[in-house]
This record gives sequence, structure tokens and C-alpha cells, in this order.
Amino acid sequence: EAGVAQSPRYKIIEKRQSVAFWCNPISGHATLYWYQQILGQGPKLLIQFQNNGVVDDSQLPKDRFSAERLKGVDSTLKIQPAKLEDSAVYLCASSPGQGNSPLHFGNGTRLTVT
Amino acid sequence: AQSVTQLGSHVSVSEGALVLLRCNYSSSVPPYLFWYVQYPNQGLQLLLKYTSAATLVKGINGFEAEFKKSETSFHLTKPSAHMSDAAEYFCAVNEAGRRALTFGSGTRLQVQP
Repeated sequence: EAGVAQSPRYKIIEKRQSVAFWCNPISGHATLYWYQQILGQGPKLLIQFQNNGVVDDSQLPKDRFSAERLKGVDSTLKIQPAKLEDSAVYLCASSPGQGNSPLHFGNGTRLTVT
Repeated sequence: AQSVTQLGSHVSVSEGALVLLRCNYSSSVPPYLFWYVQYPNQGLQLLLKYTSAATLVKGINGFEAEFKKSETSFHLTKPSAHMSDAAEYFCAVNEAGRRALTFGSGTRLQVQP
């Protein structure tokens, strides 16, 4: 099966600019996650979708971050305006459901904010 | 609330030596526990998972982990390290499947020839 696809792989922007990341999960996976991984740290959940509904966005900085999953398939994560501390790898993951289903991760988008 | 603590941000072993990566968890309900591996510039790949069946869990690439409720631990081991095992390893917890995974801060494994 095809894995989780993310694009772009790398992005460099200046602070206060906006940026968007795209994720295509594994076909049929109902649950989609966006994680932020700052260098030297473990991934931190930003948002979790179940189909096209939000399950958990408690750690999403909603003043600058937004995410959507239209039609319950692809998802985009946007940052506007970006700050220096947003420099990180943004990982998308999907799973067939919740519970003990393992997460399948994409290769991530490395964002550098200068 | 669920959380994970990984002791030791860096571990170095010789090729052929025992690998031991430590993980302790906190969970208010029976947890599901996972170990993931991350190679440079790649996403995370599942090594193994514990979901309340056998306490000794075998995973891919010769790794295994033992769930010890009394110690709230889920340490990862491999009898003999290979050069290809050099990577970052993350322990993660999920409170009985109710929430998304919470990850530890990771342990970078170096394997010396």
C-alpha cells in the first residue's frame, strides 16, 4: 500500500510570512494527525481528525495555526504568520481508527523560519 | 494525564553489545504503549506495541520490550546491536486507546564498530 504522502519536504520562509503543508493519508484511514517535532524533542500533537471532524486541537496555537480535512481525505496545515519558534518538522500520520491502531507516518516537512 | 519519560537522550553501544533503552510512563488508565524508530530525514516507523496481551512484546529487527506495571516501565532491548540500529527511538503512550499518542523526548542510539 502507498504510504502517507507529505509535501513539500523542505520549506524556508521569513518570519511573518505564511506557509501551508499538505498531507495525503493512506487510503481508507479515518484518523489523521498533525504532529510538530522540534529539533531534539519528541513529536507533539497539534491536531487530530476523525474523518473530516476535529477530535482534538487543544495544543494547536489557533491564533496562527489552522488545519482542515475537507472530504475526510487530504489535509492541509497552515501557519500565518510564522514565528522563529515554528521552525520544526511537521509530521502527518494516519491510522485506520483510534484505539491501539498504530500510526503510519509520512516523512515530514522541515520548516525553517528565518 | 498520560506522559512518557525516556531516560538518557543519548546511548552509545558497541556493535554486538546489548541495547537497553529506558521508558517510564504515566497513565491514569491501562495504557497502550509503543516504540517507534526514526532514521534521519524520515518519519517514524513502528517497532512494537503493547496492548494488554502478553507483557513481553516482540517487534521488528530483533527488538523486544517488556511491560512492567509495578515499575510503570516499558524498556526496549535488543541482544546484539547492529550498525543499522543507529537511529532515534521514541516511546509513546495512549490511554487505553482514548487519545492520540503522547511521545517521549527520544533516545539517540549510536552503535560503535
